[in-house]
Amino acid sequence: DAGVTQSPTHLIKTRGQQVTLRCSPKSGHDTVSWYQQALGQGPQFIFQYYEEEERQRGNFPDRFSGHQFPNYSSELNVNALLLGDSALYLCASSLDRAEAFFGQGTRLTVV
Amino acid sequence: AQSVTQPDIHITVSEGASLELRCNYSYGATPYLFWYVQSPGQGLQLLLKYFSGDTLVQGIKGFEAEFKRSQSSFNLRKPSVHWSDAAEYFCAVAALNQAGTALIFGKGTTLSVSS
Repeated sequence: DAGVTQSPTHLIKTRGQQVTLRCSPKSGHDTVSWYQQALGQGPQFIFQYYEEEERQRGNFPDRFSGHQFPNYSSELNVNALLLGDSALYLCASSLDRAEAFFGQGTRLTVV
Repeated sequence: AQSVTQPDIHITVSEGASLELRCNYSYGATPYLFWYVQSPGQGLQLLLKYFSGDTLVQGIKGFEAEFKRSQSSFNLRKPSVHWSDAAEYFCAVAALNQAGTALIFGKGTTLSVSS
């Protein structure tokens, strides 16, 4: 079992650009959640996808959007990047409603 | 609103000594509670979880946690710390609703282990 896999592992973007991060859930999981973890902080919930629909959303602007594909994999898109978007982006998958398994994350640096 | 507080930002423990990391939560109903560990530059690994039943839960790597409803606490303990336990520890509560589940995390406690 490969667990939750995320790509890429590191990414450097320029302010104003757009970025897409990808996540493959753990085998058998149908729900994908995304979190943003700023340096020195705990992860913050961005949104959750289930059955290809956004089921729940945290307090993040519309610049953050996502998608879930029929195979349950997911993408996180961030438009008009700001310096403050620099963070570790974590993907978590689950089958139960509460037990989430996390990937290794994508480190995004905006310069 | 739901929240999690980890009062200790940084703790240093001698190898072989016992450990307790504190976690307090604010949640209107019966919470689902979790402890995760994160090594530098890595994702989060689940140490243990509390859903219901026995208030003392056992986890991986010799960790345990006790749910105390009266104190709104879910403290993590380990009787003897190993150098490999040095990492960032996060307490989280699951905000359950009809729409799904979002984990709310504390800001974390950094554990250093001295020899």
